[in-house]
Amino acid sequence: DAMVIQNPRYQVTQFGKPVTLSCSQTLNHNVMYWYQQKSSQAPKLLFHYYDKDFNNEADTPDNFQSRRPNTSFCFLDIRSPGLGDAAMYLCATSRDAGTGVFQYFGPGTRLTVT
Amino acid sequence: GQNIDQPTEMTATEGAIVQINCTYQTSGFNGLFWYQQHAGEAPTFLSYNVLDGLEEKGRFSSFLSRSKGYSYLLLKELQMKDSASYLCAVRDYRDKIIFGKGTRLHILP
Repeated sequence: DAMVIQNPRYQVTQFGKPVTLSCSQTLNHNVMYWYQQKSSQAPKLLFHYYDKDFNNEADTPDNFQSRRPNTSFCFLDIRSPGLGDAAMYLCATSRDAGTGVFQYFGPGTRLTVT
Repeated sequence: GQNIDQPTEMTATEGAIVQINCTYQTSGFNGLFWYQQHAGEAPTFLSYNVLDGLEEKGRFSSFLSRSKGYSYLLLKELQMKDSASYLCAVRDYRDKIIFGKGTRLHILP
């Protein structure tokens, strides 16, 4: 019973060619997050949605955009991928953003940029 | 600045006990999480501490000292399947979760 689903699991795109990663959840959680994780590094928060409220991290490049059309779905758009954007992209959800609430992670999408 | 430190790698023997330490300096504190992450997979939640002391959950226990900015994850009766990275994460005063780089644990037979 998958709760946080990410498609595709592996994505190859060309340098500069826009790509969209998708995430869906069956938990009806209010908050959805996108993280970037490079090899042997900590997951880095790109942005999150609390319901429809979008919260961008200050150091997230403009190249990264997100959409949340409804509670269940959230998309990560990379407008012009560079070689440095190759990473694992993790989607996570949480019931809310308060104390004690932990995150459920999806399996991730590994992005390769050629 | 925000900083979470944990050892990069550790090695232990099957059946033994291992302690993974984490120290943090963050803008406020609203709880500390431990996650397990197998190679190429998503992190999965292990434990949560917000008050000082030890939380035990089966073979895994997690300890917190807020005054020292310190936590550890204790794994007992190690199994080969425990080979993974263990991520320490802190929720700050804005409820933002900051992850450490993780400790890669190798289990030897």
